Amino acid sequence: EVQLVQSGAEVKKPGESLKISCKGSGYSFTSYWIGWVRQMPGKGLEWMGIIYPGDSDTRYSPSFQGQVTISADKSISTAYLQWSSLKASDTAMYYCARLSRHWFDPWGQGTLVTVSS
Amino acid sequence: QSALTQPASVSGSPGQSITISCTGTSSDVGGYNYVSWYQQHPGKAPKLMIYEVSNRPSGVSNRFSGSKSGNTASLTISGLQAEDEADYYCSSYTSSSTHVFGTGTKVTVL
Repeated sequence: EVQLVQSGAEVKKPGESLKISCKGSGYSFTSYWIGWVRQMPGKGLEWMGIIYPGDSDTRYSPSFQGQVTISADKSISTAYLQWSSLKASDTAMYYCARLSRHWFDPWGQGTLVTVSS
Repeated sequence: QSALTQPASVSGSPGQSITISCTGTSSDVGGYNYVSWYQQHPGKAPKLMIYEVSNRPSGVSNRFSGSKSGNTASLTISGLQAEDEADYYCSSYTSSSTHVFGTGTKVTVL
């Protein structure tokens, strides 16, 4: 079974750094792009960026370029999303998903990030 | 990259058919047959319902169908059921080699 399992919920203060993870199993992790999607409370889905774990080729939405870093460690089939300095506006649910050609399936269960002083 | 435009809400009675539109530009929806649709129930992760405009993944009910005309894609749910009440999002590949989601539509079963 193809599965993506994300790391657990995080509560952080403004200015802190954070790295959340997404571990793939049941398929060749290096052969598919992995994407990250933000969903702010009560809002819609926003495409943040994608990474190809095979060679770490990465593409970002202009809205998120420079705000986050997407990376991957193919040796442990895990993709990451990280922030160097969190803001309250980063409070959201973050999903990872496998990109098959141009559709996302499956999705991880989501990681809730709360940034509050 | 602007979000694709969807109606905020659509409603229907059980057994009826409803259609959700997803309007973009020639740089995304109109330029590629790479439109997908996702269903999201409250507190759950999104689920793929349609890919490449009109293809259904294994396990998705044939009551769900997709189409496209010009810069607008559509998702039709026929024989509406209570379990179809959820948020629905479209997505498209873009000329910038990225993807963009729609604004989302809340489907209510009356």
